[in-house]
Amino acid sequence: EPEVTQTPSHQVTQMGQEVILRCVPISNHLYFYWYRQILGQKVEFLVSFYNNEISEKSEIFDDQFSVERPDGSNFTLKIRSTKLEDSAMYFCASSEARNSYGYTFGSGTRLTVV
Amino acid sequence: KNQVEQSPQSLIILEGKNCTLQCNYTVSPFSNLRWYKQDTGRGPVSLTIMTFSENTKSNGRYTATLDADTKQSSLHITASQLSDSASYICVDQSGGSYIPTFGRGTSLIVHP
Repeated sequence: EPEVTQTPSHQVTQMGQEVILRCVPISNHLYFYWYRQILGQKVEFLVSFYNNEISEKSEIFDDQFSVERPDGSNFTLKIRSTKLEDSAMYFCASSEARNSYGYTFGSGTRLTVV
Repeated sequence: KNQVEQSPQSLIILEGKNCTLQCNYTVSPFSNLRWYKQDTGRGPVSLTIMTFSENTKSNGRYTATLDADTKQSSLHITASQLSDSASYICVDQSGGSYIPTFGRGTSLIVHP
């Protein structure tokens, strides 16, 4: 079964450093998403991406965040200057259509900011 | 503000028993409502997706119901197994937005 692959599985970084989280969506999917889940809290939508541009973004997705599809397979989330409160599980997801009846989530990257 | 409220917050049952999880959502107009299973440290996995015209949908031992009038949904798990231990998350994608609203989830623990 096709999978969304995320790397690394765990990233530890110092406060103020830049991090890039990487995702390989399912190959025939056209819509890509990032979500985050702070430990013990609910999953929160960050951003959706289609046709090389952002479709929607939440209030969380401020200027510290950016997304990119640098090539035909990868989809990245960059946090420019990490803060302690950025520590969370970050999930990438992809879907065939915008309001698809099937998002597929990756296994997540646990980001720890120290 | 869109809200999705789930109950109970946590639930412990014995293997083989049935259980029902509840979800209330506030958003209109309705588009679709999804139930996900999330194992600890893993990404959510879709169980069911319900649209306005559907009031019940099954996926193996999982059956979701939807009452669009009362804005309530339930997830019924039949003959629970140890592997059903997970968080079950209700997600509403309505209100004319493509941004989903996640509930906090119900943590289900199945004991042998």
